[in-house]
Amino acid sequence: QKEVEQNSGPLSVPEGAIASLNCTYSDRVSQSFFWYRQYSGKSPELIMSIYSNGDKEDGRFTAQLNKASQYVSLLIRDSQPSDSATYLCAVHGSSNTGKLIFGQGTTLQVKP
Amino acid sequence: GAVVSQHPSRVICKSGTSVKIECRSLDFQATTMFWYRQFPKKSLMLMATSNEGSKATYEQGVEKDKFLINHASLTLSTLTVTSAHPEDSSFYICSGEIRSTDTQYFGPGTRLTVL
Repeated sequence: QKEVEQNSGPLSVPEGAIASLNCTYSDRVSQSFFWYRQYSGKSPELIMSIYSNGDKEDGRFTAQLNKASQYVSLLIRDSQPSDSATYLCAVHGSSNTGKLIFGQGTTLQVKP
Repeated sequence: GAVVSQHPSRVICKSGTSVKIECRSLDFQATTMFWYRQFPKKSLMLMATSNEGSKATYEQGVEKDKFLINHASLTLSTLTVTSAHPEDSSFYICSGEIRSTDTQYFGPGTRLTVL
């Protein structure tokens, strides 16, 4: 079982729709969770961080965390073609090394 | 958000030469920096963890004598690819960690091409 799992996609949504990206993780003691966006040929860019169960909203983005289910998601409202990218879920490992464990990423395509 | 820079952004070198890549945290101090490599359409692969003032910790399968890492200050880490070969051609990305929030901020990356 992979430590952090994402559906690789591509996930295709029409412009203006809600895109829902999902991620599961295996380490129950993980405390810090992140979503990064990576455009083709570019480095990852931090979108959201979440540490507590529940929802965290930032503009069009909402991160949701459920530690009991070991599940974290990212909702993108009013999706735009510029949101088309690969979204990486990352989980801070339980060791004190500081490493992030990344999922393989979900490719999102927003069609005009 | 915190800003990390990398230099150079792109480098082309001949096989057998060495290339140094700099990673700087511009507006925060990074006790820990990380070096990643990414091949086209592949996932990020962690190469090593760099701690200021101490030796880097390399991931399994990464040759420490080939990929030399120095983290001499809280804002600068360097990666030197020694005796580069075409198979070392890749996108190298560093990140700096803000320890209090476990958050890594990535540099823009360095694209290395070895001829």
